[in-house]
Amino acid sequence: EPEVTQTPSHQVTQMGQEVILRCVPISNHLYFYWYRQILGQKVEFLVSFYNNEISEKSEIFDDQFSVERPDGSNFTLKIRSTKLEDSAMYFCASSGMSSLSEQYFGPGTRLTVT
Amino acid sequence: AQSVTQPDIHITVSEGASLELRCNYSYGATPYLFWYVQSPGQGLQLLLKYFSGDTLVQGIKGFEAEFKRSQSSFNLRKPSVHWSDAAEYFCAVGTTNNAGNMLTFGGGTRLMVKP
Repeated sequence: EPEVTQTPSHQVTQMGQEVILRCVPISNHLYFYWYRQILGQKVEFLVSFYNNEISEKSEIFDDQFSVERPDGSNFTLKIRSTKLEDSAMYFCASSGMSSLSEQYFGPGTRLTVT
Repeated sequence: AQSVTQPDIHITVSEGASLELRCNYSYGATPYLFWYVQSPGQGLQLLLKYFSGDTLVQGIKGFEAEFKRSQSSFNLRKPSVHWSDAAEYFCAVGTTNNAGNMLTFGGGTRLMVKP
């Protein structure tokens, strides 16, 4: 069964450093998402991406964040200058041909900012 | 803005017993509702979804959920719990437009199963 993959599984970085979290969505999917979950808190929507542009973003997704689909297979989340409060589990998801399609989630990347 | 409340943070049931996990939502229009399950170290797996039609929806692994508009609820049920059902369960409401489906999640309910 096709699945969403994410790398790395765990990333440790120092405050102020840039990080790139990578995701490979399911190959024929058209809609791509990033969510995050701070330890002990809810899963929160960050951004959705469709037709090579951001379609929706939350208040969390400020100028420090960016997304890209550089090569038609990968979908990346970049945090330009990490803060301690960016420490969280980041989940990538993708869905198929319709905006109502089920979202398939990856296993997540745990980001620790020290 | 939409929101989802899962009143029970932890629930423990005995194997073979029935299960009901509560979910209440707030959303101005007709909601798109989902239940996801997360096992340790895994991503979120969709159990079932409600978009329209029959208010009792069947999902994978023997789960079902009932949409009750009058109570703004979408509770998840299973008649007989198995030890492998121990996991964290998330209810979510989706806001959908042509450019995607943004999910708003509840805080989750951690299910423990006693032998």
